[in-house]
Amino acid sequence: EDQVTQSPEALRLQEGESSSLNCSYTVSGLRGLFWYRQDPGKGPEFLFTLYSAGEEKEKERLKATLTKKESFLHITAPKPEDSATYLCAVRAFQQPGSARQLTFGSGTQLTVLP
Amino acid sequence: DAGVTQSPTHLIKTRGQHVTLRCSPISGHKSVSWYQQVLGQGPQFIFQYYEKEERGRGNFPDRFSARQFPNYSSELNVNALLLGDSALYLCASSWNSYEQYFGPGTRLTVT
Repeated sequence: EDQVTQSPEALRLQEGESSSLNCSYTVSGLRGLFWYRQDPGKGPEFLFTLYSAGEEKEKERLKATLTKKESFLHITAPKPEDSATYLCAVRAFQQPGSARQLTFGSGTQLTVLP
Repeated sequence: DAGVTQSPTHLIKTRGQHVTLRCSPISGHKSVSWYQQVLGQGPQFIFQYYEKEERGRGNFPDRFSARQFPNYSSELNVNALLLGDSALYLCASSWNSYEQYFGPGTRLTVT
């Protein structure tokens, strides 16, 4: 069974204080690892897809990296508007015609204080 | 471009009632997936539909059902509502089954 564990559950940073969020996964053949941002009461917003170990993606103050067992979301010099819950999800290799479902972690709730 | 839309935004139902949630995917997307998100948890997979056919379902009881229409919009139906069905119901659409784009969700409260 595919499993995703995110840590820490919650993180409070001062504005400008860089840090990293962790996503550890167990999956029977990784087809893709996805990062989403979710604001309270809203749907997840797509950030990145990573497909293979060693891959990196960047967007503004965010950088996602992938190894064979985990992914990191690095936040450089965060601002209060980066406060949100960050979700990690994996998609495993599946037989043709079967569901392309995502398995999510419980998320890291990030608060950036001014 | 319009994103994924869902209706209604909020819904309050009584135990034992039935509910129908609706989703319109991004134009050009043929796949729609439904997820349930309980407060403090990540979304949990319920169904995926592609080209109007069910591709799979998650670990949810038969009280949950869904369908996809010729215009690729979708409905999620839940019968005999329980208090534990209270959650944010999310619809996601994709064209290549990789990146899934989520709608704003429907907040269902069962009393």
